[in-house]
Amino acid sequence: EVQLVQSGAEVKKPGESLKISCKGSGYSFTSYWIGWVRQMPGKGLEWMGIIYPGNSDTRYSPSFQGQVTISADKSISTAFLQWSSLKASDTAIYYCARGGTIAEGGKFDCWGQGTLVTVSS
Amino acid sequence: EIVLTQSPATLSLSPGERATLSCRASQSASSYLAWYQQKPGQAPRLLIYDASNRATGIPARFSGSGSGTDFTLTISSLEPEDFSVYYCQQRNIWPLTFGGGTKVEI
Repeated sequence: EVQLVQSGAEVKKPGESLKISCKGSGYSFTSYWIGWVRQMPGKGLEWMGIIYPGNSDTRYSPSFQGQVTISADKSISTAFLQWSSLKASDTAIYYCARGGTIAEGGKFDCWGQGTLVTVSS
Repeated sequence: EIVLTQSPATLSLSPGERATLSCRASQSASSYLAWYQQKPGQAPRLLIYDASNRATGIPARFSGSGSGTDFTLTISSLEPEDFSVYYCQQRNIWPLTFGGGTKVEI
C-alpha cells in the first residue's frame, strides 16, 4: 500500500526554525515526485514546491521561493520542508503528496495526513 | 503562471441531483488538469487526472471533460458523501497551481 506519513503537529514562536517530514512507503521513493501544499485556516490549497528524490530536482512556487527549503533523504525515503525563521502567517496545515513519475510531475495521487504548524508568540 | 478560476464558489443541490463544476484556465493547461475532493478535516483525494481519467477507486458517477482552458467535473447523481469541496489543479506549466475551490452543499 502506498503511504505518506507526516510528522506531528508543531507549535513554534515567530523567528524560530522548523523542519517537518514526510516518509514514503509502499513504492519506489526515488521514482516519484513529492510535493508540498499549504492550506491556511479556512482557505484553499496552495502549491509550494516539489522535489524529485531520484535526482534532487526541485521546483518552487514564486510565492514560496526563498521562504522555505524542500529536501529529501533517499536513504530513509523521507522528504522535508523547512523554515529558517517562522512568521505568524506560516500558521497552516502542510500536506505532502506523491506527485507522479518524472514525466507526470504534479499528479498528486497519494497525500499525507497533514502537519499542523502553529506559530504564535 | 496559470490562474485557475472555479465556478460557482458554492453549489447548493440535493442528493440524486447532477452537479456540474467549472474550472477555467488563464492560458492553456492542455489536458493536464486534475480534480480533487476534500472533506472537512481530511487531506485532499485525487478524483480525476489529465482532464478525464478517473483515479483508482473513484466511482463512475464522477467524470471530467475539457481541454485547453475550459474544464468540467460532473457528478452524475450526488450521494450524501459527495457534499464537500472540490479543487482543480494544472500541471502543464510550472508553477503548478490550484483553483480556489467549489463547495458542494446540501
